Amino acid sequence: GQNIDQPTEMTATEGAIVQINCTYQTSGFNGLFWYQQHAGEAPTFLSYNVLDGLEEKGRFSSFLSRSKGYSYLLLKELQMKDSASYLCAPLEGNYQLIWGAGTKLIIKP
Amino acid sequence: NAGVTQTPKFQVLKTGQSMTLQCAQDMNHEYMSWYRQDPGMGLRLIHYSVGAGITDQGEVPNGYNVSRSTTEDFPLRLLSAAPSQTSVYFCASSYSPDRANEQYFGPGTRLTVT
Repeated sequence: GQNIDQPTEMTATEGAIVQINCTYQTSGFNGLFWYQQHAGEAPTFLSYNVLDGLEEKGRFSSFLSRSKGYSYLLLKELQMKDSASYLCAPLEGNYQLIWGAGTKLIIKP
Repeated sequence: NAGVTQTPKFQVLKTGQSMTLQCAQDMNHEYMSWYRQDPGMGLRLIHYSVGAGITDQGEVPNGYNVSRSTTEDFPLRLLSAAPSQTSVYFCASSYSPDRANEQYFGPGTRLTVT
């Protein structure tokens, strides 16, 4: 069956580092997306991983382990504008995105 | 480019009423989709289209219809609104539906059914 698990909420301090974990169980796994969604707004694309390992993009990095069904999003040098929900979405087959409920990240000064 | 546009931004309906949520994109994307987002749940796919004239059902299609007469437009029709359809609706598009293609989302329509 399909199952995605990510923490409901996390709190971190401005300037710090935070890691948001996502575990998944899907059939026909074909990569994993991370999206950012500010409150009241639409999701926006952050990253896509299809191979094992770490992909770095500025302050944001995303890691994937296919054998463990595990991914994380790493945010460095946190800024207040990073307060948002972060959505983990494995791709099943070529067309089916399975969306997690998201992790609400609260940044405190 | 305007990207993905949706109208209206807010809508209140009474139970039993019908209405159409509009979605348009100007990026010449083949793939378009409709999602609903409810508190505590992931985005759920309602209907999608891989090109003009082609539509298919997603995870939660009941109570909704779609059509795709042009590449640009993908309206979502609520046939007879129910309180369970109170949600935020997002339209999204991508160049193609297959792997590694990021989706571009519209700003959403916040629908309340009383």
